[in-house]
Amino acid sequence: DIVMTQSPDSLAVSLGERATINCKSSQSVLYNSNNKNYLAWYQQKPGQPPKLLIYWASTRESGVPDRFSGSGSGTDFTLTISSLQAEDVAVYYCQQYFNTPRITFGPGTKVDIK
Amino acid sequence: EVQLVESGGGLIQPGGSLRLSCAASGFTVGSSYMSWVRQAPGKGLEWVSLIYSGGTTYYADSVKGRFTISRDNSKNTVYLQMNSLRAQDTAVYYCATISGYLYWYFDLWGRGTLVTVSS
Repeated sequence: DIVMTQSPDSLAVSLGERATINCKSSQSVLYNSNNKNYLAWYQQKPGQPPKLLIYWASTRESGVPDRFSGSGSGTDFTLTISSLQAEDVAVYYCQQYFNTPRITFGPGTKVDIK
Repeated sequence: EVQLVESGGGLIQPGGSLRLSCAASGFTVGSSYMSWVRQAPGKGLEWVSLIYSGGTTYYADSVKGRFTISRDNSKNTVYLQMNSLRAQDTAVYYCATISGYLYWYFDLWGRGTLVTVSS
């Protein structure tokens, strides 16, 4: 299975500041035939189900604020919140869907307000 | 409104069985790719099972042979039959849809139902 790791485990950022979360896969999730990275990001607020933020590593889901952006390719990816808002306090997960059906999630990164 | 509503969770003894339901509204489960994802208390996300619109099913190794996914198109509902339950199956079980045939990212989630396996 493809193992997903995330760093840091948690971070605290001041309101309005940038938050950066890293995700690394144990093998490339870039599919050469279509040049797409099979990587998604989710946000999970306390007591709520996960919510899709980003897919194809950098495509924002409809309705997701543009302060959320995804980048990276191959094995290294980043989720950036450009200006942290109070409602962004959550745990963020990355997920690879390159190796279906053996899809895997990262362990999560908790984001808090400093 | 497009939504998924899970039900059927509860407290069950090890070795017991439980059937979870996921009722969909705003779309038809028979034309969609439906999945179950679970989350143990305080832990991360684990994919459990998926059923394609054509009926093909997939399972995580951890539940293969014990869990069965199915659907009833007339009720627009997906089910997860869970047998031989173990303590490590304790989790919130979410129903979710995936975007496409080979694009297994989850674009719609239910609120989940808690399954507790304990004596």
